[in-house]
Amino acid sequence: GENVEQHPSTLSVQEGDSAVIKCTYSDSASNYFPWYKQELGKRPQLIIDIRSNVGEKKDQRIAVTLNKTAKHFSLHITETQPEDSAVYFCAASVGGFKTIFGAGTRLFVKA
Amino acid sequence: DTAVSQTPKYLVTQMGNDKSIKCEQNLGHDTMYWYKQDSKKFLKIMFSYNNKELIINETVPNRFSPKSPDKAHLNLHINSLELGDSAVYFCASSQDRGGRSPLHFGNGTRLTVT
Repeated sequence: GENVEQHPSTLSVQEGDSAVIKCTYSDSASNYFPWYKQELGKRPQLIIDIRSNVGEKKDQRIAVTLNKTAKHFSLHITETQPEDSAVYFCAASVGGFKTIFGAGTRLFVKA
Repeated sequence: DTAVSQTPKYLVTQMGNDKSIKCEQNLGHDTMYWYKQDSKKFLKIMFSYNNKELIINETVPNRFSPKSPDKAHLNLHINSLELGDSAVYFCASSQDRGGRSPLHFGNGTRLTVT
């Protein structure tokens, strides 16, 4: 079936700490895994993505890892800042023609 | 210049009415989508069009009818609105039709059915 599970649903960290969000997917043919950030009242925006031929990708304080065997992928945010507070969605390409989203993680960064 | 623009931003209407939401993208993308985001923030795909051809039609009530007059436009018409239709509707576009490239979202239309 088509399923992307995301954990945790809520994450609260102290400013400067790291945050990790984990996702699993069910379609073994999935080959594209984007992450989106949605601030309150705004649209989801891509922050980083990874393809199945890569195990890890980094962009400044954000990194994503992919374990194809286990069908896991994770988002890591280091040195969190209050402006990182938002809802984060993982997603996966499914069936070769659409993007399915996880349920979202609400991240709170306390100053 | 907004890449994906949708109108209106807010829509408040009564049950039983018919309403439309319009979407336009200037990115030159071939594929456009409608997503529904409910009160729990869950993003669910509804429809996808590739170059005016319907390629995804999820289990959406047939009161919802998308229309794509050309590849830069995708509109959503909803008949006989129900309370459960209240949500934020996002239009999006992508470069390819396979779900293998980033989605570019519009700013959303918050629909409230009373």
